[in-house]
Amino acid sequence: SQQGEEDPQALSIQEGENATMNCSYKTSINNLQWYRQNSGRGLVHLILIRSNEREKHSGRLRVTLDTSKKSSSLLITASRAADTASYFCATPPGGTSYGKLTFGQGTILTVHP
Amino acid sequence: GAVVSQHPSRVICKSGTSVKIECRSLDFQATTMFWYRQFPKQSLMLMATSNEGSKATYEQGVEKDKFLINHASLTLSTLTVTSAHPEDSSFYICSAPSGFTDTQYFGPGTRLTVL
Repeated sequence: SQQGEEDPQALSIQEGENATMNCSYKTSINNLQWYRQNSGRGLVHLILIRSNEREKHSGRLRVTLDTSKKSSSLLITASRAADTASYFCATPPGGTSYGKLTFGQGTILTVHP
Repeated sequence: GAVVSQHPSRVICKSGTSVKIECRSLDFQATTMFWYRQFPKQSLMLMATSNEGSKATYEQGVEKDKFLINHASLTLSTLTVTSAHPEDSSFYICSAPSGFTDTQYFGPGTRLTVL
């Protein structure tokens, strides 16, 4: 079953704008991960934020985590057409077989040049 | 970074045939690999955990006799879709954890179309 919901389901912006995607999850977590998937391809790991962290940066990516609300957000700043992809949050079940991931529904991001 | 490959990248087969998909970790060993299934415009659903040297662990609702998994070595897991039917048409993706982290490295996926 899916761990959480992502919103929006689809986001269309112009190059240079910021894109924010949100993810909510249901159970307690050790960490939350964001992945990117180009159309018809595998997933690429973007960033991992641990449950004791509130914010993390990697290049143009900024991830926040609010464990009290069981939610996370991914911000992509100064977006580029090449950022067009689907973005998924994912969580490993806490305390169980490590590496096994449950994915959110995903956000389809389209960046127009 | 670590690389996971899948073969074939796409396959078209007739209903009733069996199809084997390979997942290889190219520059690291993986005692565990994971198989996911993804329908168009949907998220990934975990099908099973492939364990080197032991039986695979299947998620609830996944038929183990339908989706045979063999973890032949520390770098190879195979998924065989037996007696495939059109409803088995999907995008199959494998992944492997590298080292003792929760990060996964994903293969590029295999598009299966059953006619």
